Parts: sequence; structure tokens; C-alpha cells
Amino acid sequence: NAGVMQNPRHLVRRRGQEARLRCSPVKGHSHVYWYRQLPEEGLKFMVYLQKENIIDESGMPKERFSAEFPKEGPSILRIQQVVRGDSAAYFCASSQDRTDGYTFGSGTRLTVV
Amino acid sequence: GQQLNQSPQSMFIQEGEDVSMNCTSSSIFNTWLWYKQEPGEGPVLLIALYKAGELTSNGRLTAQFGITRKDSFLNISASIPSDVGIYFCAGRKETSGSRLTFGEGTQLTVNP
Repeated sequence: NAGVMQNPRHLVRRRGQEARLRCSPVKGHSHVYWYRQLPEEGLKFMVYLQKENIIDESGMPKERFSAEFPKEGPSILRIQQVVRGDSAAYFCASSQDRTDGYTFGSGTRLTVV
Repeated sequence: GQQLNQSPQSMFIQEGEDVSMNCTSSSIFNTWLWYKQEPGEGPVLLIALYKAGELTSNGRLTAQFGITRKDSFLNISASIPSDVGIYFCAGRKETSGSRLTFGEGTQLTVNP
């Protein structure tokens, strides 16, 4: 009974490269959320997706960031042309119902050098 | 975005002591959740609260949903070294769909 699986755990990218973060939700969960956490700060909402649909992307920067949750396969958070300020821990969470508490993955720690 | 004010920011206590932390907001929330995060890991759900006034326990942890729906507290009784970590409150508003807003966290250190 696997929880939320995120990979990679650590990702190093040079400025200008693309970062692709993957998230497989808990089996049976159709709601996926992405949050960003800077060191010693709380989690900031980025985007909420259901299968093939973006429900709420109000926390996502308008440029360079995109997210998808295809019918088959994991959810992907894509950051194009990364900058040093993108360095953070990115957490994916899933829930079975929109009113449930979330189950979080262990996160992907992105470092931009 | 909507702020949740979580306090204290950090706590240093002796093993065996009780701990209390809280979250407040100027807005009404219809769900309050408490999470614990350990280094290098994602937050783990401790307690979920869905009704104003609700008091829920999970072992040595007790949390309450404030009657005004603008606050919540978490108590940990008889703390042990493995309680060390960052505790986050999170709230969900009626108007924000499924989105959770997180507090800034309380860093708990327990000295044996």
C-alpha cells in the first residue's frame, strides 16, 4: 500500500535548464496537489489537479511553471529555464476526496546552481 | 494569500513536559488539520478537525477546532524525544475549494 511517491528525491539543475518533477499519488486517489517549501518556511500552494484537469493553479507562477496529471501515469511539475530562486523543496500530495486531509510525498529537493 | 498565524515559532522543552501550540486567522475555516514534518520528509497528517468546537485526540496529541472557526490548537502531553520536528497547522476555507493554507510551523525540540 504505497503512499505518495515522488522522484527524484534530489535534483540539481544549472540555470536555464528544465526541471521535471514526478508524483504518483496514493492508489485510488484522484486529487493531486503541488506545494513549494523554502527553508524554514511553511508550505505554499501551487496547483491542484484532478485526472487530466487543472482545477486551481492560483499559486503557480504564470511563467515557466506548468503541471499536468494525465489519464495514465504520474503527475508532472515542469519548471522551464530554472533560476536560483526556484531552489526549494517541492511536495506533492494526494487525496481521495476534495475534503480529505492530504497524504504527502517525501518531496523533491531542487537545487539550481 | 491568506495567512495563518502559528505560534510559537519554536519551543525548547524537557522530556515529559506538555506542549501547546496554536493557529489563528482573521478568516473562517471549515477544516483544520495538524501535520508533523521531520527533516528530509514530507508532512504527516496527525489530526483532522471538521466541526467548530470539535476536540479530537490521537494518542498523546489533542487538537481542537475553535468555536469561532478562526483558530485551532494542538496539545502534546508528556513529550518524548521522538516528538521533535516541525508542526504545521493547515486550514481549508469554504471558498478555496480543496486548497489548504499552511501556517509557518512550530519547531519543537525535546531535551532528554
